[in-house]
Amino acid sequence: QSVLTQPPSASGSPGQRVTISCSGSRSNIGGNYVYWYQQLPGTAPKLLIYRNNQRPSGVPDRFSGSKSGTSASLAISGLRSEDEADYYCAAWDDSLSGYYVFGPGTKVTVL
Amino acid sequence: QVQLQESGPGQVKPSQTLSLTCTVSGGSISSGGYYWSWIRQHPGKGLEWIGYIYYRGSTYYNPSLRSLVIISVDTSKNQFSLNLSSVTAADTAVYYCARTLSSTSELYMDVWGKGTTVTVSS
Repeated sequence: QSVLTQPPSASGSPGQRVTISCSGSRSNIGGNYVYWYQQLPGTAPKLLIYRNNQRPSGVPDRFSGSKSGTSASLAISGLRSEDEADYYCAAWDDSLSGYYVFGPGTKVTVL
Repeated sequence: QVQLQESGPGQVKPSQTLSLTCTVSGGSISSGGYYWSWIRQHPGKGLEWIGYIYYRGSTYYNPSLRSLVIISVDTSKNQFSLNLSSVTAADTAVYYCARTLSSTSELYMDVWGKGTTVTVSS
């Protein structure tokens, strides 16, 4: 199991705001950047947020990331049906000589 | 724009070596500035980073897989490869290759291949 913790699921109605949490420790989130990936059904993951709160070109500003201490969160505002996907947080972990770790993922359902 | 495509056998027998190749198009692996990663996703599960390589050949592996993994690069073909030895059913997964940015305290994948499914079965 991952050293990062995410809720297995989250849901909201179209137009609502959904927030996904990602909890870690000083060796990962506490000392390094956090990243978020979106995986639509049957497709490869896509980078959604980098360096805690930066959006790659083409990612709508409905998606926002934040970090505080050893936790991070991804917020999706103005929820749309096409946002239904799995969302993974990730970070470098300084333990065991270092490795990149993903959270277990959160399935977002648009009601 | 850069695109990545995984290729290799869809089935591997237990105890054998899993070998996959990622072909990069739309850009040169040798241009530098990027690392090249392998990531896998077990059926219905989350993502696991396997390791990465730089075009000059330097590598870094996930400690949990380090003894079984070799990632290599062929700049003449604009490809990099994954070898995973002594596979078991637990290595059944979708394997992705991805372009990777890495620096102090930072690592992330900004371009992904579509993935290839590998089943370990006799």
